[in-house]
Amino acid sequence: GAGVSQSPRYKVAKRGQDVALRCDPISGHVSLFWYQQALGQGPEFLTYFQNEAQLDKSGLPSDRFFAERPEGSVSTLKIQRTQQEDSAVYLCASSTLEGEGAKNIQYFGAGTRLSVL
Amino acid sequence: GNSVTQMEGPVTLSEEAFLTINCTYTATGYPSLFWYVQYPGEGLQLLLKATKADDKGSNKGFEATYRKETTSFHLEKGSVQVSDSAVYFCALKTGGFKTIFGAGTRLFVKA
Repeated sequence: GAGVSQSPRYKVAKRGQDVALRCDPISGHVSLFWYQQALGQGPEFLTYFQNEAQLDKSGLPSDRFFAERPEGSVSTLKIQRTQQEDSAVYLCASSTLEGEGAKNIQYFGAGTRLSVL
Repeated sequence: GNSVTQMEGPVTLSEEAFLTINCTYTATGYPSLFWYVQYPGEGLQLLLKATKADDKGSNKGFEATYRKETTSFHLEKGSVQVSDSAVYFCALKTGGFKTIFGAGTRLFVKA
């Protein structure tokens, strides 16, 4: 398949544990986005990468959230010391080169559902 | 700040009924507007978009017109099918990298 792939699909963590969520974007897509979707809500922007550069991380809710894309392809979203309020679906999307305000189509993965107990 | 407000669901319709899902926005500047659809167990997919006032986006029988005077982008379809059952998200994008989504409207279509 040539779509955006996320793993794991489901993750259960005990409060205080660290988790790592993976995103494999569409091959050749320069731009990569992470979103957080709480139950019954729309996705909320977390961070944006252009290749390996993290150009916007203004949506990360706290310093417990960290994202990286070291080789400009696969990305990992890491959450340290998870809290119950971190329970949500984490979505990844990729697109061709994204300028500011650009209208390129974002292709979304199916998401990782994180439950923190 | 920028925001999107869409009608609360769920919306339940019979097959072949007319669909309207209301969406209004608040934005500085001139945003691009989008409708995304999320089928059960799948990621969001772009359904249609409009990038300037009076543009009409259309796809798969769905339409939405960018109305600057009423700051609206209502989604319509003349005859829904059971396969249209999904969650629909209205969204906007201005300068920068963020896309701002509404809370979503769940549509159920009964046979």
